[in-house]
Amino acid sequence: EAEVAQSPRYKITEKSQAVAFWCDPISGHATLYWYRQILGQGPELLVQFQDESVVDDSQLPKDRFSAERLKGVDSTLKIQPAELGDSAMYLCASSFGSGRNSPLHFGNGTRLTVT
Amino acid sequence: TQLLEQSPQFLSIQEGENLTVYCNSSSVFSSLQWYRQEPGEGPVLLVTVVTGGEVKKLKRLTFQFGDARKDSSLHITAAQPGDTGLYLCAGVKGGKLIFGQGTELSVKP
Repeated sequence: EAEVAQSPRYKITEKSQAVAFWCDPISGHATLYWYRQILGQGPELLVQFQDESVVDDSQLPKDRFSAERLKGVDSTLKIQPAELGDSAMYLCASSFGSGRNSPLHFGNGTRLTVT
Repeated sequence: TQLLEQSPQFLSIQEGENLTVYCNSSSVFSSLQWYRQEPGEGPVLLVTVVTGGEVKKLKRLTFQFGDARKDSSLHITAAQPGDTGLYLCAGVKGGKLIFGQGTELSVKP
C-alpha cells in the first residue's frame, strides 16, 4: 500500500536554529496537511494545502513557521528560529479530497527536539 | 477548550477485559473518524461513521455515532495486548478534521 513519506525521522536542534521537514504524499492525493502533536495529545492542524494552494493556515505561527507545496506534490515545513516549545512530533497527512469521505493517510512523522 | 473531549485519557486493563472509550462534543459533526496510533508512528484510520445512530463493527471493536452526531463511542471486547495504543477520535466540521486529545490504552498480558 502506498505511504506518506516524511524525513527526517528525528531531528535535534538548538533553539534559534532553523529546521525543515519534508513530506511526500500518496500519489494523486490533492490535499496535504501538516499537523503538530505534543506527546500524549491529539494532532493539531498547522496548515492544509489543496494542490499548491494554502486553504487553511489559521493555526500556523507565521512569525516563525512557513510551509510550501510549490508543484502541488511534495511539501516542506520550516521553522526559523526554533524555540523550546516547538519540541513535538510533526505529522504530514494526505487525502484524495477534503470532504468527510476522504480519510487522511498519515506519515510516521518527524520527532523534533529543541535544546 | 477541546472541541472534542475524550474520556478516559488513560486506561490500563488486563488482557480479556472489555472497555469503552467516549468522544463527546457540544457541536454537531458531519462525520466522525476513529484512529489508532502506536508509539513513533502516525495515526491509522480505523473507521468513519457518518449517520446519526450508526453502529460499525471491526472484529472486536464496535463504534457508535450518537443520534445527534455530537458524540461517539468505541467499545473493545476481550482486549488484547496488541490493542495497546493511543485512540483518537476526529470530527469533520466545516471541512476541517478536528482531533480529540486521545485515550492512551495499555493492555497487560
